[in-house]
Amino acid sequence: EIVMTQSPATLSVSPGERATLSCRASQSVTSNLAWYQQKPGQAPRLLIYDASTRATGIPARFSGSGSGTEFTLTISSLQSEDFAVYYCQQYNNWPSFGPGTKVDIK
Amino acid sequence: EVQLLESGGGLVQPRGSLRLSCAASGFTFSTYAMIWVRQAPGKGLEWVSGISGSGGRTYYADSVKGRFTISRDNSKNTLYLQMNSLRVEDTAVYYCAKDTALVTAWYFDLWGRGTLVTVSS
Repeated sequence: EIVMTQSPATLSVSPGERATLSCRASQSVTSNLAWYQQKPGQAPRLLIYDASTRATGIPARFSGSGSGTEFTLTISSLQSEDFAVYYCQQYNNWPSFGPGTKVDIK
Repeated sequence: EVQLLESGGGLVQPRGSLRLSCAASGFTFSTYAMIWVRQAPGKGLEWVSGISGSGGRTYYADSVKGRFTISRDNSKNTLYLQMNSLRVEDTAVYYCAKDTALVTAWYFDLWGRGTLVTVSS
């Protein structure tokens, strides 16, 4: 089983600032990594797949990078609607999710 | 409108059974694999089960293997999850989600709003 970890657990950011979220896999997942956003009471929303490809309709301020075991989701200028929990998920093997990073207002 | 709508959740006693349904609309259901993912209260996401577009291939997490059965009826655009021998630790919101491929790409671009399953005596 591939174990995913995310850091930090909580990230406090002011609107307009840049947010950088990290995700690590216990073994290489090549580029088979996705990022999701989840707001309270809502279903997850696909943001990024294949480590760096934005899903349909996702704003350009969201970008993903990395390969192997280290990945990053960057939100270039946080908007009010971006405060949420973000999960990474690998799909190189049976799918597994990270524990999430909560992005809240500083 | 492209959407997934889960139903069938509720309160069930340990060792009981429940059947979840997920009605799909707005896309060609039979051409995509589908999955179930659950989220225990205050916890993260856990993949539960997946099924190919034709229904010919099914996949299960070790935590539910032998107890849960995934199926689909492409004529009704509906996905199912039959859950037997339920345990307290199965308590969660269960989401159905659409894969991006006919068999499985294993990332998911459309999710339902979820249905809550509570296993308690």
